[in-house]
Amino acid sequence: EVQLVESGGGLVQPGGSLRLSCAASGFTFSSYEMNWVRQAPGKGLEWVSYISSSGSTIYYADSVKGRFTISRDNAKNSLYLQMNSLRAEDTAVYYCATDLPVRGVIWGQGTLVTVSS
Amino acid sequence: NFMLTQPHSVSESPGKTVTISCTRSSGSIASNYVQWYQQRPGSSPTTVIYEDNQRPSGVPDRFSGSIDSSSNSASLTISGLKTEDEADYYCQSYDSSNQVFGGGTKLTVL
Repeated sequence: EVQLVESGGGLVQPGGSLRLSCAASGFTFSSYEMNWVRQAPGKGLEWVSYISSSGSTIYYADSVKGRFTISRDNAKNSLYLQMNSLRAEDTAVYYCATDLPVRGVIWGQGTLVTVSS
Repeated sequence: NFMLTQPHSVSESPGKTVTISCTRSSGSIASNYVQWYQQRPGSSPTTVIYEDNQRPSGVPDRFSGSIDSSSNSASLTISGLKTEDEADYYCQSYDSSNQVFGGGTKLTVL
């Protein structure tokens, strides 16, 4: 069964840091691009970052550029998002997602990040 | 960067057909695939249409997708509406280095 499981969310003060993880299973992780997408409470979906299958190509949304870093460890079937200089507007559920043939985009269950003092 | 614009909400009765539009602000709608996601309250999104008009296994054929170059828009059509279709629906597309989501459409089946 294809599965993405996020972890690492929690409450952090403004200016703080947090590292999210996404554990993948049920497919050949090293062959597929990955994305982080977030959803602020009561709001729509917002793309955050993309990483290619090898990790050689990375893109960020303007709203997180310079503060967030996406990475992956294909040996561990894991995706990461290092979030620094967090702001209140970064408060959201963070999903990892991947686009698989025939299935379309598969999403994890999400992990909640709350930035508040 | 381009934007994708969706109606904020639509409503229709069970058994009827509803169409949700998604208009691309710049660049051709046909230049990059459009995906559609369903999100029920408290749940993660799920894909109902990928690559403009393809349905993942398990998605009923009541769901269909299309693009219209003349209006530079994509559409999600749901026929034979059921109460379980009540959810938020998001379109999504991309360009060379960005992915863009529409603002979402709340579908009410009443």
